[in-house]
Amino acid sequence: GAGVSQSPRYKVAKRGQDVALRCDPISGHVSLFWYQQALGQGPEFLTYFQNEAQLDKSGLPSDRFFAERPEGSVSTLKIQRTQQEDSAVYLCASSKGQGGEKLFFGSGTQLSVL
Amino acid sequence: GDSVTQMEGPVTLSEEAFLTINCTYTATGYPSLFWYVQYPGEGLQLLLKATKADDKGSNKGFEATYRKETTSFHLEKGSVQVSDSAVYFCALTPNQAGTALIFGKGTTLSVSS
Repeated sequence: GAGVSQSPRYKVAKRGQDVALRCDPISGHVSLFWYQQALGQGPEFLTYFQNEAQLDKSGLPSDRFFAERPEGSVSTLKIQRTQQEDSAVYLCASSKGQGGEKLFFGSGTQLSVL
Repeated sequence: GDSVTQMEGPVTLSEEAFLTINCTYTATGYPSLFWYVQYPGEGLQLLLKATKADDKGSNKGFEATYRKETTSFHLEKGSVQVSDSAVYFCALTPNQAGTALIFGKGTTLSVSS
C-alpha cells in the first residue's frame, strides 16, 4: 500500500485478555517504531526495529508488552493480560533509513480495556 | 533527558487570524526539530522541520525557526484557515541513527469561519 497500515482500527478488550496489534509499514522501509499515545498526550516511544532486529525496547512499560518483526516487514505488538491503564492509541511509524527523523505514521489502533 | 514543552491548548481563532504555538526544548547536543500535525481521524504527518540552528522550516504557510539561544521552535502562520484545525505536535530527535522522536503533548487548534 501507499502508507503505513494498522489493524484493527479499534479494539475493545476485557481486563486480563491478550491483544495483538498489527502494523504493515511502507514496503522497503528499514526502520519501524511503535508509540503509545494516551488521551490528550503526545506519542511516547515504545520500541524500535531495524529490519527484523529489535534494537531498542526501552519504552515498553512492562513485561506484558512484547513486539516482533520476524521478517523485517510486518510487525505485531502484543499486550498480555491487559489492564485499564493500557487503554491508549498505539501508533506505528516507519522510515526508509536507519534514522528516525522522516517518519510516516499509521492511523493507529485505539485500544480500550474495560 | 531530552524533552519538549509546548503551550497548552486549545487555541481558538477566527479565520485569517495570526497563529503562534510556542515550543521549547531541552536537549544535549544538536537535535533536529519538527512540527507534526494530526488532522481528525488521520495519522500524524510531518509539517516542517529544521536540522540546525537558525534554519527555518516552512510548509503550507506555516513557519518555524530553530533558535538555539532560546531553545525554541515556535510555529507561526500569518492567516489561518478552517482547514488548519488539528492537533499540532512539536518534536525533536537527537540525530543518532535509530533514535526515536520525542514529542510534546500537543496543542489543539480550532479555527472558526
